[in-house]
Amino acid sequence: ELKVEQNPLFLSMQEGKNYTIYCNYSTTSDRLYWYRQDPGKSLESLFVLLSNGAVKQEGRLMASLDTKARLSTLHITAAVHDLSATYFCAVGVGRNRDDKIIFGKGTRLHILP
Amino acid sequence: ETGVTQTPRHLVMGMTNKKSLKCEQHLGHNAMYWYKQSAKKPLELMFVYSLEERVENNSVPSRFSPECPNSSHLFLHLHTLQPEDSALYLCASSHLTSGEQYFGPGTRLTVT
Repeated sequence: ELKVEQNPLFLSMQEGKNYTIYCNYSTTSDRLYWYRQDPGKSLESLFVLLSNGAVKQEGRLMASLDTKARLSTLHITAAVHDLSATYFCAVGVGRNRDDKIIFGKGTRLHILP
Repeated sequence: ETGVTQTPRHLVMGMTNKKSLKCEQHLGHNAMYWYKQSAKKPLELMFVYSLEERVENNSVPSRFSPECPNSSHLFLHLHTLQPEDSALYLCASSHLTSGEQYFGPGTRLTVT
């Protein structure tokens, strides 16, 4: 059974600091997604990573994928309060009708002013 | 209207009521999903439809009944729910069942 583990699950950090959220998964995959969810809101797609070594950046967020290590990271640079949210990674597995996406439990990020 | 829409946005129902949640996607996708999100548990996949055919049912109680009449619409019929079913119900769609999912705003359900 595919397992997707995020680390840490909770993170409180100060503005201006850098930090990394890790997403480990237990089976082969070349499709990984990062989502953001604000309190009481729905999920918003942030990044789609489709190959080993893929790196994508948007503002202060950068995501990378290492399919050999079965690891994706979401790096936050010089955090600002607006980035406070819950971040989910999700891994795509299977082919054709067995396709599915499995979500991690989410990392709740709280950035202190 | 674009994206994924859900109605109603908020719903309060008694345990003996019957209600339905509606989801509509305007993205030309062929897969749709229902998720449950509650404070006590992470995002739980309930149902997956691909090309209007149910392809996954994650051991969801029969008091939840999905319906997918076409590739743009997805319903979740509710009856005799329990208070522990109170949660945020999210609908999503994607081009493929392992592709990037686009989420609707959710329905906040409270069962009294």
